[in-house]
Amino acid sequence: QKEVEQDPGPLSVPEGAIVSLNCTYSNSAFQYFMWYRQYSRKGPELLMYTYSSGNKEDGRFTAQVDKSSKYISLFIRDSQPSDSATYLCAMRDGTASKLTFGTGTRLQVTL
Amino acid sequence: DTEVTQTPKHLVMGMTNKKSLKCEQHMGHRAMYWYKQKAKKPPELMFVYSYEKLSINESVPSRFSPECPNSSLLNLHLHALQPEDSALYLCASSHLGGNTGELFFGEGSRLTVL
Repeated sequence: QKEVEQDPGPLSVPEGAIVSLNCTYSNSAFQYFMWYRQYSRKGPELLMYTYSSGNKEDGRFTAQVDKSSKYISLFIRDSQPSDSATYLCAMRDGTASKLTFGTGTRLQVTL
Repeated sequence: DTEVTQTPKHLVMGMTNKKSLKCEQHMGHRAMYWYKQKAKKPPELMFVYSYEKLSINESVPSRFSPECPNSSLLNLHLHALQPEDSALYLCASSHLGGNTGELFFGEGSRLTVL
């Protein structure tokens, strides 16, 4: 079993839809949770960062962390074609420098 | 625009060449990282520098040699690479300690080994 599981997609949605992206993990020591957006042939761009459990909202993006279920989510409201990218979840514990990534979900937002 | 700058953006080299990838950040971060990313895969950690000292080497072959000349710069020296080393090489940086855990990535250097 991988430490972090993420559905690779591809996920195709119409413009304006609400998108839900999810990751599950097995290491209960993880405390820092991140979502990255990566366009083709570019570096990952940090979208959201959450420490421990809870919700965080930034514009059209909301990140949720449920440590009791070992489950994190990223919601994108009013999705746009420019949101088409691969979304990577990433997490680490309080001491390690190493980030553990999910495999990434490829999202396509169509007109 | 990312605050982690990588050069060159593209590099083509033969198996006998020696080249270097460079990375610079001015966010005051004291941890810097090299990752390797193959197509349709997540980034894989190669090296971590903490306070300019190598703290993690993920069993990377010696044909990859990292160097951290100061707190803002990180280099990756390449020598006698193989075609399977062709990938996107990503530099990242972060704060150390406390509750700050975000990694900030550069745009990457796309390496092709012929």
